[in-house]
Amino acid sequence: DTGVSQNPRHKITKRGQNVTFRCDPISEHNRLYWYRQTLGQGPEFLTYFQNEAQLEKSRLLSDRFSAERPKGSFSTLEIQRTEQGDSAMYLCASSLAGGPGSYEQYFGPGTRLTVT
Amino acid sequence: GENVEQHPSTLSVQEGDSAVIKCTYSDSASNYFPWYKQELGKGPQLIIDIRSNVGEKKDQRIAVTLNKTAKHFSLHITETQPEDSAVYFCAEMYSSASKIIFGSGTRLSIRP
Repeated sequence: DTGVSQNPRHKITKRGQNVTFRCDPISEHNRLYWYRQTLGQGPEFLTYFQNEAQLEKSRLLSDRFSAERPKGSFSTLEIQRTEQGDSAMYLCASSLAGGPGSYEQYFGPGTRLTVT
Repeated sequence: GENVEQHPSTLSVQEGDSAVIKCTYSDSASNYFPWYKQELGKGPQLIIDIRSNVGEKKDQRIAVTLNKTAKHFSLHITETQPEDSAVYFCAEMYSSASKIIFGSGTRLSIRP
């Protein structure tokens, strides 16, 4: 399967704990996006990378959230001191800049986070 | 501002009939309008898209129309089948480097 993959698929944690999610984009894609989706809503943008550079961050991304893409391939999203309001599906998407399909973002299956 | 309104929020149609979902957007700079289908427990799947220089695009049973003047765009599914049951999201982007702004979704149910 050469699509976007995310791990873990599910994570249950206690309030105050730190969690880290991983995203592996489609192999030749140089742009990587993180979105958050709560129940009954559309995904909301969090941040995006072009290669290893983080180019945009949403105001939704509080100081407790940090994302990295150290080698321009996979990315990690860490949430420190989790709160119940962080419970959501965290989605990763990737795209290929510069080509005719540069607008098309392809999503992974998501990581569902439950904070108890 | 960045906002996409989507209607209806739920839609139930008889198998074989057509389904139409409508969206409006506010940012006149937007020039790309994708539609995503999301099944339970899965990530959104890109099913069709349209650029601002095109008024209509069709792919088998699905079609999208865009009215840039009115800032409206719509998804049409003909000859609906049970596997079309899912949540559908319209969305907008203003450049290939930008984020996607999603609508709130339409839960489509196909009655047998």
